Amino acid sequence: QSVLTQPPSVSAAPGQKVTISCSGSSSNIGNNYVSWYQQLPGTAPKLLIYDNNKRPSGIPDRFSGSKSGTSATLGITGLQTGDEADYYCGTWDSSLNAVVFGGGTKLTVL
Amino acid sequence: QVQLQQSGPGLVKASQTLSLTCAISGDSVSSNSATWNWIRHSPSRGLEWLGRTYYRSKWYNDYAVSVKSRITINPDTSKNQFSLQLNSVTPEDTAVYYCARDQGSSSLLNWGQGTLVTVSS
Repeated sequence: QSVLTQPPSVSAAPGQKVTISCSGSSSNIGNNYVSWYQQLPGTAPKLLIYDNNKRPSGIPDRFSGSKSGTSATLGITGLQTGDEADYYCGTWDSSLNAVVFGGGTKLTVL
Repeated sequence: QVQLQQSGPGLVKASQTLSLTCAISGDSVSSNSATWNWIRHSPSRGLEWLGRTYYRSKWYNDYAVSVKSRITINPDTSKNQFSLQLNSVTPEDTAVYYCARDQGSSSLLNWGQGTLVTVSS
């Protein structure tokens, strides 16, 4: 059972927009920055979003992040088949003194 | 550009110790801004953070509660690397293990290539 809660799967058509939610509590999302990661099969996770809404160099602006209270959201616009992957949210938990992740969301581009 | 190169065995017998090393290039394990982490991934448990080491005038470690009694993460300043030791492993410890650099605010920007570790019973 993950500390952060994500939907197991989402799907949308190519070119469309999708959002992935991540729910936590005041000890994690509510008082710490959220990051989002993309994991393609057989590869290491890749940082997409950090500090709630910032993109590392090289990440296209089709990817966006937001946070409100104890929840965060990853948005992906202009979906491409190459976006099919598992997506994870992560943050620091001040009560556990640990990095915590969501259970992951599998994105299918139909 | 920071790169992390992992090394260590891919097969460990149950009850023995899992040992992995992560060699750093492009940054220092003694950095005053980064932290150095170990994470594992399995189909059944998803991503699981195991622990970290970092230097802020002295060395610190944080470990996940789930492995706290069995884990040690050590820096090696002479080789600019850090290591993971996980004792008394069981088949449930079978996973792909990653080292990663946290650039700040728990954002893991740089990752090692991953090592599949299988625990045989």
